[in-house]
Amino acid sequence: AQSVTQLDSHVSVSEGTPVLLRCNYSSSYSPSLFWYVQHPNKGLQLLLKYTSAATLVKGINGFEAEFKKSETSFHLTKPSAHMSDAAEYFCVVSRSGGYQKVTFGTGTKLQVIP
Amino acid sequence: GAVVSQHPSWVICKSGTSVKIECRSLDFQATTMFWYRQFPKQSLMLMATSNEGSKATYEQGVEKDKFLINHASLTLSTLTVTSAHPEDSSFYICSAYPTRTRGDAGANVLTFGAGSRLTVL
Repeated sequence: AQSVTQLDSHVSVSEGTPVLLRCNYSSSYSPSLFWYVQHPNKGLQLLLKYTSAATLVKGINGFEAEFKKSETSFHLTKPSAHMSDAAEYFCVVSRSGGYQKVTFGTGTKLQVIP
Repeated sequence: GAVVSQHPSWVICKSGTSVKIECRSLDFQATTMFWYRQFPKQSLMLMATSNEGSKATYEQGVEKDKFLINHASLTLSTLTVTSAHPEDSSFYICSAYPTRTRGDAGANVLTFGAGSRLTVL
């Protein structure tokens, strides 16, 4: 069994300040973890993924996430928010290896204030 | 990189009619595709797993006769919403795992279509 909890449904930051979107996971096996971004009325775009290699993962658009097994967390961060980062972010967990069914978190809406 | 294309992106239909949504994998073959439904301001809920050449596997609570899935080829899966009603209005998204891509960039990473917005009047 697997599940993912996104601790904040909304996060608001000022442009140029750091972004932190929190995600905790639960998995009965070795997980793969992903962050996806969704802009309004659009599909999902992969930001980054963790698949049992380096625990600090760098993604696109300056985002990164750190896999912490002891804390069962995979928080998404960015040093400096841009207006274009305003979107919905989903943390996703699946079983490692092969083509597994994934489980979505409930999403975090990021608002960036000018 | 791997691309999943959905069509149409927007569709409006009258209550009682049927609507077909196509999901195509471009530049790769997909033996398995996934169909999701997303209500406004909510997360994606898996509806069914579409398997090429065999019956789809539906998640609990999803009506098989309501949401017909056909995966007739390695690059095409279709979702047909039959006898649509206003409560079927939603954002439908498909996804697939690229099985053959250049390098390893797309391996084991679910690739999503841009989604199809269905509005039933």
